[in-house]
Amino acid sequence: SAVISQKPSRDICQRGTSLTIQCQVDSQVTMMFWYRQQPGQSLTLIATANQGSEATYESGFVIDKFPISRPNLTFSTLTVSNMSPEDSSIYLCSVEEGWGQETQYFGPGTRLLVL
Amino acid sequence: RKEVEQDPGPFNVPEGATVAFNCTYSNSASQSFFWYRQDCRKEPKLLMSVYSSGNEDGRFTAQLNRASQYISLLIRDSKLSDSATYLCAVTAGNEKLTFGTGTRLTIIP
Repeated sequence: SAVISQKPSRDICQRGTSLTIQCQVDSQVTMMFWYRQQPGQSLTLIATANQGSEATYESGFVIDKFPISRPNLTFSTLTVSNMSPEDSSIYLCSVEEGWGQETQYFGPGTRLLVL
Repeated sequence: RKEVEQDPGPFNVPEGATVAFNCTYSNSASQSFFWYRQDCRKEPKLLMSVYSSGNEDGRFTAQLNRASQYISLLIRDSKLSDSATYLCAVTAGNEKLTFGTGTRLTIIP
C-alpha cells in the first residue's frame, strides 16, 4: 500500500489561530479524504479532497472552517481555521488506492490540542 | 439509530482463547465492508475486507450477513499483540467510509 506521511505530527495552538496540516503520499492516488477523531470517539469524515476542484464536505463541516487544497495526486492540505478547544482532535488523511476499490489507508495522524 | 454500531467492550480475553465481535449497519444499500485495527495513539490499519463469501486470513475470519445486516470478526488463538481497538467500516458504494465506534479488546496473559 501507499506510504502516507502527515505534518505536523502534533501541535499545541492558541484559540483563534489556524493550523495547516499536510498529507503527502508516495504515489499518485485518485481519492484522498480527511477525517477527525475526537478523544475516545470513532472517525468522522470531514471531506473528500478532489484534485483540481473544490473539496466535498460532509454535513456539519464547512469550507470556511476547514479549507482543503489538493493541488496534485500526491498531496493535500487541511487547514483548521479560527481554532477553539473543541477542535482538539486527531486529524487523519486517508487515500484510496485503485479506482472503485473503496479500501482506504490512513496517514499517521496529526494530534492537535487547542488551548 | 447509528449507521454503524459496535459493542464498545472492553472485551478482556485470556491468551489463546477465541473471541468474536459483531458490527451492525443500518443502510441496506451498503456494499463494502472492512475491519480496521487501531492501536493506542496510532492510526487505523486495515485488517481485512469482508466479502460476501466470508474470508479468512490466518487466525482471523470475517463474515458478512446481509439478511441481518451485520459483519463479524473472529480471532482464534488470541495473542497478547491482538490487544487493540477493532473498528468496522462500511460504504454504500460512494467511497465514503462510515466507521463504528470500535470494540476494545485486551488479551490477558
